Amino acid sequence: DAGVIQSPRHEVTEMGQEVTLRCKPISGHDYLFWYRQTMMRGLELLIYFNNNVPIDDSGMPEDRFSAKMPNASFSTLKIQPSEPRDSAVYFCASSLGQASKGQYFGPGTRLTVT
Amino acid sequence: GENVEQHPSTLSVQEGDSAVIKCTYSDSASNYFPWYKQELGKRPQLIIDIRSNVGEKKDQRIAVTLNKTAKHFSLHITETQPEDSAVYFCAASIPLWSGGGADGLTFGKGTHLIIQP
Repeated sequence: DAGVIQSPRHEVTEMGQEVTLRCKPISGHDYLFWYRQTMMRGLELLIYFNNNVPIDDSGMPEDRFSAKMPNASFSTLKIQPSEPRDSAVYFCASSLGQASKGQYFGPGTRLTVT
Repeated sequence: GENVEQHPSTLSVQEGDSAVIKCTYSDSASNYFPWYKQELGKRPQLIIDIRSNVGEKKDQRIAVTLNKTAKHFSLHITETQPEDSAVYFCAASIPLWSGGGADGLTFGKGTHLIIQP
């Protein structure tokens, strides 16, 4: 089992540029979660999907953030335009069933916006 | 929404001693409480979890206890070893059916566990 796969692992971009983060969940998992981790705010849930449908996006910080899941094996998190305060590690996680079945995290994407 | 408080923020113990990390949560509807271990530069990894119909769960040197009345749960690590050094996060999850909306995890701020040789 390859586990959750994320790309890129590191992203450095200039303020105002569009950033797209990618995630491939564990095969067969029907829940996909996007989290953001910073020193100040810790781990925060941004959005999650069930069977490719967004269920709760109340954690998305503002309209500059958007997420899609076009199929069961792929999701994207897009930031447009990016700002320095978006610098963080973005994790994707997946689970089989609801959160109570155990969420498994990807390696994360370290985003730096200059 | 759910709020999870975690203490202490840093914990230093001698190798071989026990370590205890405590968390409290605010929403009585929460019914799932996982613990994650995160080593520097790595992803959070699930080490143990407990559901609200259970008061205690043990897996080798790791145990978790849950007090639903008081809305707190704790992680216990016995016979600590150098490889236990990491940041530990507790989390809570409100099931979708409760009307809370979020079935994702709300995390505590983390505890940096340092095992002194």
